[in-house]
Amino acid sequence: DAKTTQPNSMESNEEEPVHLPCNHSTISGTDYIHWYRQLPSQGPEYVIHGLTSNVNNRMASLAIAEDRKSSTLILHRATLRDAAVYYCVTGNQFYFGTGTSLTVIP
Amino acid sequence: NAGVTQTPKFQVLKTGQSMTLQCAQDMNHEYMSWYRQDPGMGLRLIHYSVGAGITDQGEVPNGYNVSRSTTEDFPLRLLSAAPSQTSVYFCASSYSKQPLYEQYFGPGTRLTVT
Repeated sequence: DAKTTQPNSMESNEEEPVHLPCNHSTISGTDYIHWYRQLPSQGPEYVIHGLTSNVNNRMASLAIAEDRKSSTLILHRATLRDAAVYYCVTGNQFYFGTGTSLTVIP
Repeated sequence: NAGVTQTPKFQVLKTGQSMTLQCAQDMNHEYMSWYRQDPGMGLRLIHYSVGAGITDQGEVPNGYNVSRSTTEDFPLRLLSAAPSQTSVYFCASSYSKQPLYEQYFGPGTRLTVT
């Protein structure tokens, strides 16, 4: 099963874009790439998912590399409410990894 | 809709005791799953179910049993609790597994085994 690698932490200034990277070099051709985020003391919350093409929704954009070995979650304008741990998830066993803790600076 | 509900919110067990963590969803989702999250770690899949009567093991199934007699409910049983099972447990549900659609997570059960 595919596993993911993400930076432990990132910082962003409020109202600036944030690019959260993820490596998933062993992903299979049929595995989707999912992103979830988790606020303190809460369950994870779905953000976005995709297979090959870039995806947009009201929360974020997902940019997938052509070889699918990496992806980037894009928050277009970070707000204080976006401070959370972001998980890139893929594979049959839905491995969450340790995620990236995003700090948003006012 | 209540979404995914979990009970209890908190539980303290002594080593060797048994208990059942309850999970229910009212969205008519086929796929349900259980995860555990240890401090500072990501979530790890324990067991999952793709429909009533069908369950399978995830990454860390040892020490846990599940069953799925109805679409709505997916209880997780600890037969003989151990301190290593101290964790936060999350239940999740999704419309289907292949492909895996958006998963909805419950609020979690914080379990301490002494």
